Amino acid sequence: RKEVEQDPGPFNVPEGATVAFNCTYSNSASQSFFWYRQDCRKEPKLLMSVYSSGNEDGRFTAQLNRASQYISLLIRDSKLSDSATYLCAVQHGSSYKLIFGSGTRLLVRP
Amino acid sequence: GAGVSQTPSNKVTEKGKYVELRCDPISGHTALYWYRQSLGQGPEFLIYFQGTGAADDSGLPNDRFFAVRPEGSVSTLKIQRTERGDSAVYLCASSPQGQTSGNTIYFGEGSWLTVV
Repeated sequence: RKEVEQDPGPFNVPEGATVAFNCTYSNSASQSFFWYRQDCRKEPKLLMSVYSSGNEDGRFTAQLNRASQYISLLIRDSKLSDSATYLCAVQHGSSYKLIFGSGTRLLVRP
Repeated sequence: GAGVSQTPSNKVTEKGKYVELRCDPISGHTALYWYRQSLGQGPEFLIYFQGTGAADDSGLPNDRFFAVRPEGSVSTLKIQRTERGDSAVYLCASSPQGQTSGNTIYFGEGSWLTVV
């Protein structure tokens, strides 16, 4: 079993829809959590960090559930440009090492 | 440019050949990382440099893989006797001194390696 797991999708949604992804992690030593966006044949780019209190950036909301060991990403009012793969990543304690999930692919259709 | 630069962007090589992949980090960044991403997977950690030394090479899959950073800036990932299973995109990343949180790590576009 992988340490960080995601549903690979694809999630195929119409423009304007709300879509949510979950990511589960198995190591309770995980302390820092992130969502990355990766476009086809491009590098991962940080979308947002995930804090215990939850955080919001425009149409994007990220939440952390430590008790159940998962993080979530909610995208409201989906745009065509949101089509990409969304990777979650964790870090243990003060470790430099990012541990990624396999990513969830999102397709937003007109 | 101001970002992490990797060369070559694409490399096709024959099984058994030797390959070098180069990474030029963001100017002034002392921490440098190599990750490998296979098709349909997330990036997997290979090695971490703090300055010139490899602080953690625990992710290197076997002794055919080696990386150097002799002057604390540019790094080269070296793969000997390449195998078809080495085909992947090799991502380099860097971060400022003392900052290794995910929100301070910046990735390059990667070197796409295909072993035929």
